[in-house]
Order: sequence, then C-alpha cells, then structure tokens
Amino acid sequence: AQSVTQLDSQVPVFEEAPVELRCNYSSSVSVYLFWYVQYPNQGLQLLLKYLSGSTLVKGINGFEAEFNKSQTSFHLRKPSVHISDTAEYFCAVISYNNNDMRFGAGTRLTVKP
Amino acid sequence: GAGVSQSPRYKVAKRGQDVALRCDPISGHVSLFWYQQALGQGPEFLTYFQNEAQLDKSGLPSDRFFAERPEGSVSTLKIQRTQQEDSAVYLCASSRDPTEAFFGQGTRLTVV
Repeated sequence: AQSVTQLDSQVPVFEEAPVELRCNYSSSVSVYLFWYVQYPNQGLQLLLKYLSGSTLVKGINGFEAEFNKSQTSFHLRKPSVHISDTAEYFCAVISYNNNDMRFGAGTRLTVKP
Repeated sequence: GAGVSQSPRYKVAKRGQDVALRCDPISGHVSLFWYQQALGQGPEFLTYFQNEAQLDKSGLPSDRFFAERPEGSVSTLKIQRTQQEDSAVYLCASSRDPTEAFFGQGTRLTVV
C-alpha cells in the first residue's frame, strides 16, 4: 500500500519569508499526489495536485509543488508567506490501482509577524 | 447543498454509548470515504463506498465501527460502545473520480 511521510511536524517562519514543506511518498505503482490545507475547526481544502504532465504544479494562494519521481518527493513551496497561511498542511497520495487517499501526519506552518 | 455536509458538528458521548455520524455527499458523487483524524495527526482511512457498495473497510479499527450507505447517497458511520480512544474528528469526503475529493467539515467526537 502507498504511504506518505511529512518530514517536518512544525515549521515556524517569519512573514514574507520563503517556505518549503517536505513530503516523501512510497508506492509500488504510479501515484497521484496532493497537498491539502486545514484551518482550525475546518475541513480539508485542496491546494494543488499532481496527476501527470509537468512536474511543477501551481495551486491556490501562491503555493506550488514539484513532483520528483527519482526522489519520490512532492515538496510544497511558497516564495513569500503571509500570516494567513498559518495552518496545518497535509500531503496525500492515491495509487493508480487504488481509490483511497493516504495522508501524511501533517506539518503545522506558523507564520510570525 | 453545494458541499459535503456532516452532522452533528460536535458530539459528546459517554463511554459505552453508541453514536451515529451522518454524511451527506455532493449530489451525483459516486465515491464516499470516511476518515478518522486524531488530535495532531493526519486523517486515517476508515472505509470507502462506491454507490451503495462498501468496497474497502480495511481501515475500520474494530468491529465496533460500522458504516453504511444503503441508497448510494447519505452515509452513516456508527460506533458502538464508544471508548475514549475513539475521540477524534471524523471526516467524510465524496468524489466523482478519485482525484477530485471534496471534504466535509467533520464531526468532532469526544468520549468522556
């Protein structure tokens, strides 16, 4: 079965600084990859997804992620963060031969003024 | 409605009590998923339906957990004889295809 590892449980950064949230996955078959954001007491909101094609994927709120098949990674980046980006971020994977989505444990991004 | 609706939003249950959590998916969405999210953790897969058929229930943690979707629309997750370790947020998601899942806001279950 597929699995996801988010390498950082917490990432504190200052406003307007760049940020990278790391995600590695494991699967014996090809995968679809996702990043979701969760604000307090809210459900999950899709930031971006990689299905095929260009390995650089742009999402909402200025986020982007790059799929690296050789390193089995899908790191999320933003060049300049805002206070409002403070939230929990989850990386997720679906294998081509499976329908259920598997999530990482999450990274809490805290943006400080 | 326009999105996935879950009810109740919050549920407090005494240990040993049975609970039922409801999910109204987006109209026309064939697939429905249940996840359990413990405090500080990522969502953990519980079970998956395609229409009324429960195709995967490998994530259900014990036989106290039961899910159904009898008419291929609304789904109910039932937990019998709740225990403290069942305290979590239960998330429901629906989709027309696996790459386009929409999540509800979840039901926060607290077992006291």
